Amino acid sequence: EDQVTQSPEALRLQEGESSSLNCSYTVSGLRGLFWYRQDPGKGPEFLFTLYSAGEEKEKERLKATLTKKESFLHITAPKPEDSATYLCAVQLGAGNNRKLIWGLGTSLAVNP
Amino acid sequence: DAGVTQSPTHLIKTRGQQVTLRCSPKSGHDTVSWYQQALGQGPQFIFQYYEEEERQRGNFPDRFSGHQFPNYSSELNVNALLLGDSALYLCASSLGGLYRSPLHFGNGTRLTVT
Repeated sequence: EDQVTQSPEALRLQEGESSSLNCSYTVSGLRGLFWYRQDPGKGPEFLFTLYSAGEEKEKERLKATLTKKESFLHITAPKPEDSATYLCAVQLGAGNNRKLIWGLGTSLAVNP
Repeated sequence: DAGVTQSPTHLIKTRGQQVTLRCSPKSGHDTVSWYQQALGQGPQFIFQYYEEEERQRGNFPDRFSGHQFPNYSSELNVNALLLGDSALYLCASSLGGLYRSPLHFGNGTRLTVT
């Protein structure tokens, strides 16, 4: 069964304390992996798309990487405003059979 | 650049009633997807509209229906509301049909069923 698992469920960091969030997947035919940030009561905000193993994308303090089994979202020297839930979603299939499978997210809290 | 807009932002309904939620996609987008998100959960796919047709549907009963208009905006209708329908309903837009580009989300409609 196609599955996406995010860990940890929750993470609390001190400001400046770098860490990584994990998104592991067991799917057949990965077409793309997406990272989103979601603030409470808001819709998810698109961060990155990764398509192939070895690919990396960066935006400010965030860096996303992809291997054949998992993706990491590295947060360097986080600030309190980075506090949010981070969601990953995996796209698989082709043509009319494309689908998106979502993880449950990692809730990140950064203390000042 | 206008992002995805949804209305209303909050709604309170009674069991058995019907509700209509509205979505205008991001400028330049032609595909609209609807999601239901319960507290602490990931988004659950309801359906996707492209070229005014439902192209794909998730595991939701036919009490959930939708429509896409020629200007690409969309409506989600839910009939015979149940308490379990209380959730954040998210609209996402993209370009070119089934997941051909990343989804961009609105801020959702918070539906409470009492």
